[in-house]
Amino acid sequence: DADVTQTPRNRITKTGKRIMLECSQTKGHDRMYWYRQDPGLGLRLIYYSFDVKDINKGEISDGYSVSRQAQAKFSLSLESAIPNQTALYFCATSEGTQYEQYFGPGTRLTVT
Amino acid sequence: AQSVTQPDIHITVSEGASLELRCNYSYGATPYLFWYVQSPGQGLQLLLKYFSGDTLVQGIKGFEAEFKRSQSSFNLRKPSVHWSDAAEYFCAVGATSGTYKYIFGTGTRLKVLA
Repeated sequence: DADVTQTPRNRITKTGKRIMLECSQTKGHDRMYWYRQDPGLGLRLIYYSFDVKDINKGEISDGYSVSRQAQAKFSLSLESAIPNQTALYFCATSEGTQYEQYFGPGTRLTVT
Repeated sequence: AQSVTQPDIHITVSEGASLELRCNYSYGATPYLFWYVQSPGQGLQLLLKYFSGDTLVQGIKGFEAEFKRSQSSFNLRKPSVHWSDAAEYFCAVGATSGTYKYIFGTGTRLKVLA
């Protein structure tokens, strides 16, 4: 089984809809991250969480919110989706003071 | 400001040829450096990392990278490319300030000719 899972893997939604992307991990890591990937822009950090009560904005948090329901679960919400939020979204985890991040398979989101 | 530059958007090599992917960074101190690979439809997989010590680091799948402080570079190399190496490669800098955040380059897409 994969250590970092993301659901759904693909989603098409309409402008203005609320959508939630979910991430679960079995690695036991305390840190979790949400990135978006756009062609030619690489990966950009949306939010990150060092533990359940410690959530921080990344470089592009506008229009997004997150919830860390448990150490193993970190959800990303788009309250009112817009077309320029069409992207590939990745969840990642890391352990304590270790710097290596481990990525999920991604969620491809299309907002029409 | 911290930044990572991957100057080559696309690279095409023949199978069996050598490969070098470039990565330059801007950071106030010696950063932590990473190379990740993203195969089509997949997440990112860590190839190798540099924290300190020997400036030539070995990774998985036969890849290596060399940290050159004087050039602010961390180029990825492989002596003989296989068709399965076709993928997108990302260089990343990890902040050493305790925030544990990454800054990613924009990626280099590798095409391998049979």
